Amino acid sequence: QQQVKQSPQSLIVQKGGISIINCAYENTAFDYFPWYQQFPGKGPALLIAIRPDVSEKKEGRFTISFNKSAKQFSLHIMDSQPGDSATYFCAASKRAAGNKLTFGGGTRVLVKP
Amino acid sequence: ETGVTQSPTHLIKTRGQQVTLRCSSQSGHNTVSWYQQALGQGPQFIFQYYREEENGRGNFPPRFSGLQFPNYSSELNVNALELDDSALYLCASSPPPPLTEAFFGQGTRLTVV
Repeated sequence: QQQVKQSPQSLIVQKGGISIINCAYENTAFDYFPWYQQFPGKGPALLIAIRPDVSEKKEGRFTISFNKSAKQFSLHIMDSQPGDSATYFCAASKRAAGNKLTFGGGTRVLVKP
Repeated sequence: ETGVTQSPTHLIKTRGQQVTLRCSSQSGHNTVSWYQQALGQGPQFIFQYYREEENGRGNFPPRFSGLQFPNYSSELNVNALELDDSALYLCASSPPPPLTEAFFGQGTRLTVV
């Protein structure tokens, strides 16, 4: 059972453009939603995270939007750069249960110069 | 302060053999979680250790087992290796509650032939 669905599987964006990745979850007990960035041959690196008591969180060029009623959240990468080319994973967990992460399937982002 | 380190980085084993993977958690982190990431997919939760006790397990058979040591480092053991066990094995450490972030190591690439 895939509890976190991520789309699209891949996307290509021009340098300076906006990358948008969407995730939907099923388990209403989830209360922590991080995004990870992974480069080939490396482990995932925590990018930004949000809790359901806020609808948006921004850190630099990265913004998470959260819609609790729709059980959806998204990552926006503003002013995309070639160095942002990587695979991005959304995840969800229940903090009280030890923060065991359920990951989406990943989105491969390619930023063209 | 050192991050999460895993060893070895790459490993080739024969079907039916046993393997042990190691993880040193980040300084101050007492929780270690293990994930399996098949090629092109998101990480899947295997199990978590908190203060040397197993604290939750994903949908993996008993031939996947683990340990956590008093210094919070951890081992993942897999017996009777199968071809489908070929994957990137990731270790993540987390600080004590109420902090929730999980930080990943670079992973161990296991190939079963």
